[in-house]
Amino acid sequence: NAGVTQTPKFRILKIGQSMTLQCTQDMNHNYMYWYRQDPGMGLKLIYYSVGAGITDKGEVPNGYNVSRSTTEDFPLRLELAAPSQTSVYFCASRWGENSPLHFGNGTRLTVT
Amino acid sequence: DAKTTQPPSMDCAEGRAANLPCNHSTISGNEYVYWYRQIHSQGPQYIIHGLKNNETNEMASLIITEDRKSSTLILPHATLRDTAVYYCIVRGAGSYQLTFGKGTKLSVIP
Repeated sequence: NAGVTQTPKFRILKIGQSMTLQCTQDMNHNYMYWYRQDPGMGLKLIYYSVGAGITDKGEVPNGYNVSRSTTEDFPLRLELAAPSQTSVYFCASRWGENSPLHFGNGTRLTVT
Repeated sequence: DAKTTQPPSMDCAEGRAANLPCNHSTISGNEYVYWYRQIHSQGPQYIIHGLKNNETNEMASLIITEDRKSSTLILPHATLRDTAVYYCIVRGAGSYQLTFGKGTKLSVIP
């Protein structure tokens, strides 16, 4: 098992550009999550999904969109990048409600 | 989900037990306590979780008080590689969100 795989590892965007952060898991997990982590801070939940075709907002969804067309993939879309979106983005998944979260290694995004 | 309170930082001598406290005084009966850690800027790593009984695995022990208002994560013999930020999270059954606070930065001193 590769676990949770995130691509790219690093990215620099100009203000107003768009991009998609990819996340895929090979553990057949139902639940998937996107978090962001600003320097020196904890993780904040952006969006989550409890299964294919179902997504919901977390604490900080503004400026982001997600889709969940398959169990394996949960891409995060930034439409109009802003400097406030400079952060490290983590994708995570888990099998059931009380199962532990498995995290990817993160995508480091800089918007200038 | 219940809020948690953790000290911002702690030191522990290498080879000694590290005891990391977490206060969750508003926890309700069906809420689990989870512990994760984040080493440098890697993705957080699951350590242990429990509902009301004490739990132990190969990494750590989790002690939950009888009233469930607080818990302690114990690393029995801390090593330098245990230096990390430790997060205590409480999540209710039926709640899909897991909220991470700032955690406790544990520094293991040689």
